[in-house]
Amino acid sequence: GESVGLHLPTLSVQEGDNSIINCAYSNSASDYFIWYKQESGKGPQFIIDIRSNMDKRQGQRVTVLLNKTVKHLSLQIAATQPGDSAVYFCAEHGSARQLTFGSGTQLTVLP
Amino acid sequence: ETGVTQTPRHLVMGMTNKKSLKCEQHLGHNAMYWYKQSAKKPLELMFVYNFKEQTENNSVPSRFSPECPNSSHLFLHLHTLQPEDSALYLCASSQRGGQGEKLFFGSGTQLSVL
Repeated sequence: GESVGLHLPTLSVQEGDNSIINCAYSNSASDYFIWYKQESGKGPQFIIDIRSNMDKRQGQRVTVLLNKTVKHLSLQIAATQPGDSAVYFCAEHGSARQLTFGSGTQLTVLP
Repeated sequence: ETGVTQTPRHLVMGMTNKKSLKCEQHLGHNAMYWYKQSAKKPLELMFVYNFKEQTENNSVPSRFSPECPNSSHLFLHLHTLQPEDSALYLCASSQRGGQGEKLFFGSGTQLSVL
């Protein structure tokens, strides 16, 4: 079956540093991937997505990298700010035609 | 504001109570979803509705009963729940038909079953 995993359950970074959050997926047929951010007391919020025909996509301060060879997805946040503290999780859209979500990484930004 | 509104935000109920969760989306989407989010676990898909028709029921116990009267509204009726049903219940919507679907989530209902 499909599974999506996060490499680390928690990540702490200094304010102003770059953050990298990793995600591994198991279904090589997955064709669409999304990163979500979930702050305390809120629902998941869309950050950025990428299709399988791309290996990199950039947004405002965020970049998603897709390595289909090793089935790995990463989210890079540039100049991490206190407001970036949240749980981040990836999701893949695979053969089940539904999004499969990972467990999430708690990002803490230190002053 | 994501365009998906859930009420109530918090709910405490006993195992013999009957309650309902409500979700409304203002995005013009044609698909709506219920997800369960438990601590330190991935989001679990419960139900999917496309154009008001239920297309997915992920082996959810019958004590959870969804209702979708139109494409903008979704309910989750709860009765005789168990303490292990305590979780954050999230509603989401999407525009079906595209390649890959971006879900828009509400803020959820934090449910505690005593």
